[in-house]
Amino acid sequence: AQTVTQSQPEMSVQEAETVTLSCTYDTSENNYYLFWYKQPPSRQMILVIRQEAYKQQNATENRFSVNFQKAAKSFSLKISDSQLGDTAMYFCASNMFSGGYNKLIFGAGTRLAVHP
Amino acid sequence: ETGVTQTPRHLVMGMTNKKSLKCEQHLGHNAMYWYKQSAKKPLELMFVYSLEERVENNSVPSRFSPECPNSSHLFLHLHTLQPEDSALYLCASSQEGPGGGPDEQYFGPGTRLTVT
Repeated sequence: AQTVTQSQPEMSVQEAETVTLSCTYDTSENNYYLFWYKQPPSRQMILVIRQEAYKQQNATENRFSVNFQKAAKSFSLKISDSQLGDTAMYFCASNMFSGGYNKLIFGAGTRLAVHP
Repeated sequence: ETGVTQTPRHLVMGMTNKKSLKCEQHLGHNAMYWYKQSAKKPLELMFVYSLEERVENNSVPSRFSPECPNSSHLFLHLHTLQPEDSALYLCASSQEGPGGGPDEQYFGPGTRLTVT
């Protein structure tokens, strides 16, 4: 079975500093995608960043970047220059293509608190 | 706003009640999803509709009944629920195409359901 594991239930960071959230996954897919989603206290989940497994270059989106280690099946999220608005639950996910459509497998999430 | 709306945002119901959750997407997507989000657990995929056809029914009890009358609307009909069904129910949509990787899923704000 495909699994996604986030080993840090909670993290905290001071404003303007850098924090890294961990994620490991297990998949039997040859071509797959990995995602980080953010769920702020308002609850609407939004995509932060996406990585295609066949691309060796790590994805970046402004202050967000990933460290994708395919052999180790590791996909960590680095947030640079943390801002108060980064306070949220962060979910790591991988896709599974089955039955002609894609579905996402989510980890349990990491609650990040950014302190002033 | 992600283009996916859900109503109601909060719902309290007794175990003998019948209620429905509604989801609407304004993005022209062809796939819609229901997830259950319980505290400290990964998001659980419940149902997937692709091109208005149900393609996934993830061992969900029959007291949950989905309906997708068209590509923009998704309902979750609830009856004789149990207290353990109390959770945040999230709807999502995406545009799935042939041969490509998974597109981003856009989530609604969720319905906080409490079963008394």
